[in-house]
Amino acid sequence: EAGVVQSPRYKIIEKKQPVAFWCNPISGHNTLYWYRQNLGQGPELLIRYENEEAVDDSQLPKDRFSAERLKGVDSTLKIQPAELGDSAVYLCASSSSGGRGENYGYTFGSGTRLTVV
Amino acid sequence: TQLLEQSPQFLSIQEGENLTVYCNSSSVFSSLQWYRQEPGEGPVLLVTVVTGGEVKKLKRLTFQFGDARKDSSLHITAAQPGDTGLYLCAGWGYSTLTFGKGTMLLVSP
Repeated sequence: EAGVVQSPRYKIIEKKQPVAFWCNPISGHNTLYWYRQNLGQGPELLIRYENEEAVDDSQLPKDRFSAERLKGVDSTLKIQPAELGDSAVYLCASSSSGGRGENYGYTFGSGTRLTVV
Repeated sequence: TQLLEQSPQFLSIQEGENLTVYCNSSSVFSSLQWYRQEPGEGPVLLVTVVTGGEVKKLKRLTFQFGDARKDSSLHITAAQPGDTGLYLCAGWGYSTLTFGKGTMLLVSP
């Protein structure tokens, strides 16, 4: 079974440029998460989807970040315009078990390492 | 906001040594999970503990959930270089998984 697939693995952009990340979750997982992980820190939730609905986007900086999950499968996360402080690893994860993952945990992708120069 | 404090932040030991890392919070969690993350990869789930006082073993790793479900510990016996990585605890509450900052473990041969 394929895991959570993210692309690209690495991205270097100049500040003020746009950037987009893509995530393909595990087949059948109805819940999808985007996390941001700064160097030396734990992941921080940006947004959680239940199917195609964003049910928790309270930590998403909506002035520059946007996300979508069309048809409740793949998801994209966009930053426009990027700032130096956005440099981080962006992780996508998915889970089943009613969307809580409480018993089964999350399956994470390998992440996209973004460097803004 | 529910916060998880992990200690130590960094641990460097020799192969064969034992170690314990801690995860503490002032909040109660319905369950707590431990993940291990290797460089360039996403975190991988090791264990989920649900019941206060619960102890789970995974080969040389022993996980314990505090009686009050506010804290947890991870003990590794006879550490090996393959145990090197970032160990993250994460607590479930309010339909959200909150991560600690992690303990970076380096095991040298």
